Amino acid sequence: KAGVTQTPRYLIKTRGQQVTLSCSPISGHRSVSWYQQTPGQGLQFLFEYFSETQRNKGNFPGRFSGRQFSNSRSEMNVSTLELGDSALYLCASSPWGGDNEKLFFGSGTQLSVL
Amino acid sequence: AQSVAQPEDQVNVAEGNPLTVKCTYSVSGNPYLFWYVQYPNRGLQFLLKYITGDNLVKGSYGFEAEFNKSQTSFHLKKPSALVSDSALYFCAVRGLSMDSSYKLIFGSGTRLLVRP
Repeated sequence: KAGVTQTPRYLIKTRGQQVTLSCSPISGHRSVSWYQQTPGQGLQFLFEYFSETQRNKGNFPGRFSGRQFSNSRSEMNVSTLELGDSALYLCASSPWGGDNEKLFFGSGTQLSVL
Repeated sequence: AQSVAQPEDQVNVAEGNPLTVKCTYSVSGNPYLFWYVQYPNRGLQFLLKYITGDNLVKGSYGFEAEFNKSQTSFHLKKPSALVSDSALYFCAVRGLSMDSSYKLIFGSGTRLLVRP
Protein backbone atom coordinates (compact mmCIF):
# COMPACT_ATOMS: atom_id res chain seq x y z
CA LYS A 1 0.00 0.00 0.00
CA ALA A 2 1.44 3.37 -0.96
CA GLY A 3 2.07 5.82 1.87
CA VAL A 4 1.00 9.42 2.22
CA THR A 5 2.31 11.44 -0.70
CA GLN A 6 2.95 15.16 -0.53
CA THR A 7 3.87 17.36 -3.46
CA PRO A 8 5.92 19.30 -4.12
CA ARG A 9 8.77 18.31 -1.85
CA TYR A 10 10.35 21.76 -1.88
CA LEU A 11 8.92 25.16 -2.71
CA ILE A 12 10.41 28.63 -2.80
CA LYS A 13 8.12 31.65 -2.88
CA THR A 14 8.37 35.36 -2.21
CA ARG A 15 6.38 37.44 0.24
CA GLY A 16 2.88 38.26 -0.90
CA GLN A 17 2.54 35.27 -3.18
CA GLN A 18 0.21 32.38 -2.57
CA VAL A 19 0.96 28.69 -2.56
CA THR A 20 -0.94 25.42 -2.84
CA LEU A 21 0.32 22.18 -1.34
CA SER A 22 -1.07 18.77 -2.17
CA CYS A 23 -1.54 15.61 -0.13
CA SER A 24 -2.67 12.17 -1.25
CA PRO A 25 -3.63 9.99 1.72
CA ILE A 26 -3.26 6.27 2.03
CA SER A 27 -5.91 4.50 0.00
CA GLY A 28 -9.06 4.07 2.07
CA HIS A 29 -8.18 6.78 4.58
CA ARG A 30 -10.84 9.43 4.82
CA SER A 31 -9.26 11.81 7.30
CA VAL A 32 -6.46 14.21 6.35
CA SER A 33 -4.79 16.55 8.82
CA TRP A 34 -2.23 19.26 8.20
CA TYR A 35 0.55 20.40 10.51
CA GLN A 36 3.14 23.14 10.38
CA GLN A 37 6.59 22.28 11.72
CA THR A 38 9.13 24.97 12.57
CA PRO A 39 12.25 24.86 14.75
CA GLY A 40 10.86 27.51 17.08
CA GLN A 41 7.21 26.49 17.36
CA GLY A 42 7.47 22.75 16.89
CA LEU A 43 4.45 20.99 15.40
CA GLN A 44 1.31 23.06 15.17
CA PHE A 45 -2.07 21.69 14.08
CA LEU A 46 -3.62 23.52 11.13
CA PHE A 47 -6.82 21.66 10.27
CA GLU A 48 -8.43 18.32 9.64
CA TYR A 49 -10.70 17.25 6.82
CA PHE A 50 -13.01 14.27 6.74
CA SER A 51 -15.26 13.36 3.82
CA GLU A 52 -14.68 16.75 2.18
CA THR A 53 -15.66 18.68 5.32
CA GLN A 54 -13.39 20.60 7.66
CA ARG A 55 -13.90 18.91 10.97
CA ASN A 56 -11.30 20.58 13.10
CA LYS A 57 -9.26 23.77 12.99
CA GLY A 58 -6.18 25.08 14.75
CA ASN A 59 -5.22 28.62 15.69
CA PHE A 60 -3.97 29.93 12.36
CA PRO A 61 -5.07 33.05 10.47
CA GLY A 62 -7.57 32.89 7.63
CA ARG A 63 -4.72 33.05 5.11
CA PHE A 64 -4.37 29.34 5.72
CA SER A 65 -7.13 27.31 4.13
CA GLY A 66 -7.68 23.86 2.80
CA ARG A 67 -10.06 21.55 1.10
CA GLN A 68 -10.60 17.87 0.50
CA PHE A 69 -11.83 16.22 -2.64
CA SER A 70 -14.15 13.26 -3.07
CA ASN A 71 -11.17 10.92 -3.48
CA SER A 72 -9.86 12.14 -0.08
CA ARG A 73 -6.95 14.01 -1.62
CA SER A 74 -6.41 17.31 0.12
CA GLU A 75 -4.89 20.65 -0.73
CA MET A 76 -3.70 23.39 1.56
CA ASN A 77 -3.49 26.99 0.42
CA VAL A 78 -1.61 29.86 1.99
CA SER A 79 -2.30 33.33 0.60
CA THR A 80 -0.29 36.52 1.02
CA LEU A 81 2.78 34.66 2.17
CA GLU A 82 4.85 36.06 5.04
CA LEU A 83 8.43 35.26 5.97
CA GLY A 84 7.17 33.48 9.07
CA ASP A 85 5.29 30.98 6.94
CA SER A 86 8.58 29.30 6.08
CA ALA A 87 8.21 25.82 7.50
CA LEU A 88 7.85 22.14 6.83
CA TYR A 89 4.18 21.39 6.16
CA LEU A 90 3.18 17.87 7.05
CA CYS A 91 0.08 16.03 6.01
CA ALA A 92 -1.22 13.02 7.91
CA SER A 93 -3.98 10.57 7.12
CA SER A 94 -5.97 8.03 9.11
CA PRO A 95 -8.97 5.86 8.38
CA TRP A 96 -11.54 7.74 10.43
CA GLY A 97 -9.65 10.54 12.13
CA GLY A 98 -10.60 9.30 15.55
CA ASP A 99 -8.76 10.87 18.41
CA ASN A 100 -7.26 7.55 19.39
CA GLU A 101 -6.09 6.55 15.94
CA LYS A 102 -2.50 6.62 14.83
CA LEU A 103 -1.62 9.07 12.10
CA PHE A 104 0.35 8.24 8.97
CA PHE A 105 2.51 11.17 7.92
CA GLY A 106 3.91 12.17 4.57
CA SER A 107 7.47 13.42 4.16
CA GLY A 108 6.28 17.00 4.01
CA THR A 109 6.64 20.04 1.80
CA GLN A 110 9.46 22.38 2.75
CA LEU A 111 8.28 25.92 2.05
CA SER A 112 10.76 28.77 1.99
CA VAL A 113 9.42 32.32 1.77
CA LEU A 114 11.97 34.92 0.67
CA ALA B 1 -4.51 24.57 30.02
CA GLN B 2 -3.65 21.60 27.85
CA SER B 3 -0.01 21.08 27.03
CA VAL B 4 2.82 18.65 26.56
CA ALA B 5 6.35 19.26 27.78
CA GLN B 6 9.51 17.55 26.69
CA PRO B 7 12.07 19.03 29.06
CA GLU B 8 15.18 17.85 27.22
CA ASP B 9 16.14 19.24 23.82
CA GLN B 10 18.64 16.44 23.37
CA VAL B 11 19.43 13.11 24.97
CA ASN B 12 22.78 11.44 24.45
CA VAL B 13 23.31 7.76 25.13
CA ALA B 14 25.86 5.11 24.21
CA GLU B 15 24.80 2.20 22.04
CA GLY B 16 23.67 -0.74 24.15
CA ASN B 17 22.70 1.43 27.11
CA PRO B 18 19.09 2.01 28.18
CA LEU B 19 17.48 5.24 27.06
CA THR B 20 14.69 7.42 28.42
CA VAL B 21 13.03 10.35 26.69
CA LYS B 22 10.86 12.35 29.06
CA CYS B 23 7.37 13.71 28.54
CA THR B 24 4.90 15.33 30.91
CA TYR B 25 1.40 16.46 30.03
CA SER B 26 -1.44 18.62 31.25
CA VAL B 27 -5.00 17.90 30.11
CA SER B 28 -8.35 17.64 31.77
CA GLY B 29 -9.94 14.22 31.91
CA ASN B 30 -8.30 10.96 30.93
CA PRO B 31 -5.30 11.51 28.68
CA TYR B 32 -4.76 9.92 25.29
CA LEU B 33 -0.99 9.88 24.82
CA PHE B 34 1.22 9.14 21.84
CA TRP B 35 4.86 8.93 20.81
CA TYR B 36 6.07 9.61 17.29
CA VAL B 37 9.56 9.52 15.79
CA GLN B 38 10.93 11.62 12.93
CA TYR B 39 13.98 10.59 10.95
CA PRO B 40 15.88 13.22 8.88
CA ASN B 41 13.93 14.54 5.90
CA ARG B 42 10.98 12.33 6.74
CA GLY B 43 7.53 12.71 8.23
CA LEU B 44 6.61 11.40 11.63
CA GLN B 45 6.13 7.69 12.33
CA PHE B 46 3.85 6.33 15.03
CA LEU B 47 5.60 4.46 17.83
CA LEU B 48 2.95 3.75 20.45
CA LYS B 49 -0.11 5.09 22.24
CA TYR B 50 -1.79 4.91 25.62
CA ILE B 51 -5.55 5.14 25.84
CA THR B 52 -6.40 2.98 28.83
CA GLY B 53 -5.29 -0.23 30.51
CA ASP B 54 -1.79 -1.36 31.44
CA ASN B 55 0.48 1.54 32.35
CA LEU B 56 3.36 0.00 30.39
CA VAL B 57 2.76 0.27 26.67
CA LYS B 58 4.88 -1.58 24.14
CA GLY B 59 5.41 -0.16 20.68
CA SER B 60 7.45 -0.38 17.51
CA TYR B 61 11.21 -0.96 17.25
CA GLY B 62 11.49 -2.21 20.84
CA PHE B 63 10.28 1.01 22.42
CA GLU B 64 7.94 1.17 25.36
CA ALA B 65 6.43 3.95 27.45
CA GLU B 66 5.24 4.12 31.00
CA PHE B 67 2.13 6.06 31.91
CA ASN B 68 2.26 7.59 35.39
CA LYS B 69 -0.95 9.34 36.33
CA SER B 70 0.26 10.81 39.61
CA GLN B 71 3.28 12.38 37.95
CA THR B 72 1.39 13.17 34.71
CA SER B 73 4.23 11.64 32.76
CA PHE B 74 4.58 9.36 29.77
CA HIS B 75 8.29 8.66 29.38
CA LEU B 76 9.60 6.73 26.39
CA LYS B 77 12.09 3.97 27.11
CA LYS B 78 14.18 1.33 25.44
CA PRO B 79 16.34 -1.22 27.25
CA SER B 80 19.21 -1.16 24.73
CA ALA B 81 19.76 1.76 22.37
CA LEU B 82 20.87 1.38 18.74
CA VAL B 83 22.71 3.94 16.63
CA SER B 84 19.77 3.73 14.22
CA ASP B 85 17.47 5.04 17.00
CA SER B 86 19.04 8.47 16.57
CA ALA B 87 16.15 10.72 15.52
CA LEU B 88 13.73 13.37 16.75
CA TYR B 89 11.06 12.10 19.15
CA PHE B 90 7.71 13.76 19.76
CA CYS B 91 5.27 13.17 22.57
CA ALA B 92 1.64 14.11 21.90
CA VAL B 93 -1.60 14.31 23.82
CA ARG B 94 -5.17 14.63 22.70
CA GLY B 95 -6.46 18.10 23.38
CA LEU B 96 -9.41 20.30 22.56
CA SER B 97 -9.54 22.79 19.73
CA MET B 98 -11.32 26.13 20.06
CA ASP B 99 -14.43 24.58 18.53
CA SER B 100 -14.35 21.79 21.14
CA SER B 101 -13.26 19.13 18.69
CA TYR B 102 -10.22 17.04 19.42
CA LYS B 103 -6.72 17.52 18.05
CA LEU B 104 -3.25 16.25 18.81
CA ILE B 105 -0.99 18.58 20.76
CA PHE B 106 2.68 17.83 20.20
CA GLY B 107 5.63 18.51 22.45
CA SER B 108 8.62 20.45 21.17
CA GLY B 109 10.55 17.29 20.41
CA THR B 110 13.67 15.66 21.85
CA ARG B 111 16.64 14.81 19.71
CA LEU B 112 18.09 11.43 20.59
CA LEU B 113 21.71 10.84 19.70
CA VAL B 114 23.06 7.33 20.16
CA ARG B 115 26.81 7.14 19.84
CA PRO B 116 28.58 3.95 18.77
